[in-house]
Amino acid sequence: DAKTTQPPSMDCAEGRAANLPCNHSTISGNEYVYWYRQIHSQGPQYIIHGLKNNETNEMASLIITEDRKSSTLILPHATLRDTAVYYCIASSGYALNFGKGTSLLVTP
Amino acid sequence: GAVVSQHPSWVICKSGTSVKIECRSLDFQATTMFWYRQFPKQSLMLMATSNEGSKATYEQGVEKDKFLINHASLTLSTLTVTSAHPEDSSFYICSAEAGGGSNYGYTFGSGTRLTVV
Repeated sequence: DAKTTQPPSMDCAEGRAANLPCNHSTISGNEYVYWYRQIHSQGPQYIIHGLKNNETNEMASLIITEDRKSSTLILPHATLRDTAVYYCIASSGYALNFGKGTSLLVTP
Repeated sequence: GAVVSQHPSWVICKSGTSVKIECRSLDFQATTMFWYRQFPKQSLMLMATSNEGSKATYEQGVEKDKFLINHASLTLSTLTVTSAHPEDSSFYICSAEAGGGSNYGYTFGSGTRLTVV
């Protein structure tokens, strides 16, 4: 699986959009981009995934650049409950290998 | 849909004893399940891949005789930590893929906090 690079931490004000970047410059054509988050002492929660088209669901939007070398997860209106570690993973569909992720702190 | 149930959520055991952790897919069949371990302030590390009806595949550095995995049905995989020692204390998490074009990606259990005293 391609390696992904994320900033170690980010802050976001409650009610504002949180934009979490991810670099995956060596991603191959059959690898999807997955986003998960982990709230302290819980199992990871699926957020969204995509191959090359932008995706949106009830939780978030995923913007993938045309060359697929990077992506951005957007939480449109962050709440305090969105404080968590967010993981961006490139995978061709087998086991997911987690990096260090981005620790997002949403502040009042 | 796509729920994975993991039990127990926490367990404390004495050094030298064995502990079994269960991972069940509640509303789908999972040919393959994955087991992870997470130490404090670290990321999840893949330990092994559990395949229904066959032997598990272990990642490099994971002792297969210490971490016994059984995947006897399409909805249940178990991880047994044998002769546990304090260094085995960790957060163990399982996951499964709903498959069949699922939009849920990989679903994770809620994790098991193991403390060996």
